[in-house]
Amino acid sequence: DGGITQSPKYLFRKEGQNVTLSCEQNLNHDAMYWYRQDPGQGLRLIYYSQIVNDFQKGDIAEGYSVSREKKESFPLTVTSAQKNPTAFYLCASSIGGRGEQYFGPGTRLTVT
Amino acid sequence: QKEVEQNSGPLSVPEGAIASLNCTYSDRVSQSFFWYRQYSGKSPELIMSIYSNGDKEDGRFTAQLNKASQYVSLLIRDSQPSDSATYLCAVRGTSYQGAQKLVFGQGTRLTINP
Repeated sequence: DGGITQSPKYLFRKEGQNVTLSCEQNLNHDAMYWYRQDPGQGLRLIYYSQIVNDFQKGDIAEGYSVSREKKESFPLTVTSAQKNPTAFYLCASSIGGRGEQYFGPGTRLTVT
Repeated sequence: QKEVEQNSGPLSVPEGAIASLNCTYSDRVSQSFFWYRQYSGKSPELIMSIYSNGDKEDGRFTAQLNKASQYVSLLIRDSQPSDSATYLCAVRGTSYQGAQKLVFGQGTRLTINP
């Protein structure tokens, strides 16, 4: 079955620790995205990547880093520099040209 | 002014009625518009895409686009309790090297009352 997987579903970390969220897709999509959602809020773009080995900052990239070494994978690292990391993190992908983005199930990160 | 604006609700509609969800956007050059449904605790699910002025129907859902007024709406006919969710409007932003950046509204929470 084609789709987007994110792991883990829930993640708990202490302040000051870096944490990496996994996102994998087998849809053969070129573009991948990371969003953050806070309670009662819409989605805010963190990073996006159109092709392998290339990515751009979104609206709220500070305190986050990404890599795109394979077409299928776009991991997100939440660093200790991110001031309010507790949120619901959503990965999405899209095929080129039409802008339809499809989301993975999300990772809920809690930092205490 | 926010780039994409939605009434946060909650919007309460009786079962079987038509639910009407509205969205306005500020970027006049936007070309693509999307509605996502998000159940509580889950990720957004794409339910409608619309690219040209007018109506687009898919089952009980109709998306309406008016680029002159910078307005897009979603109608849900014969509303069911299972339609209770938050509906997110998304607008394709300025293309950069082919990327499809979407700008999301904050979402409208819809409740269908049996």
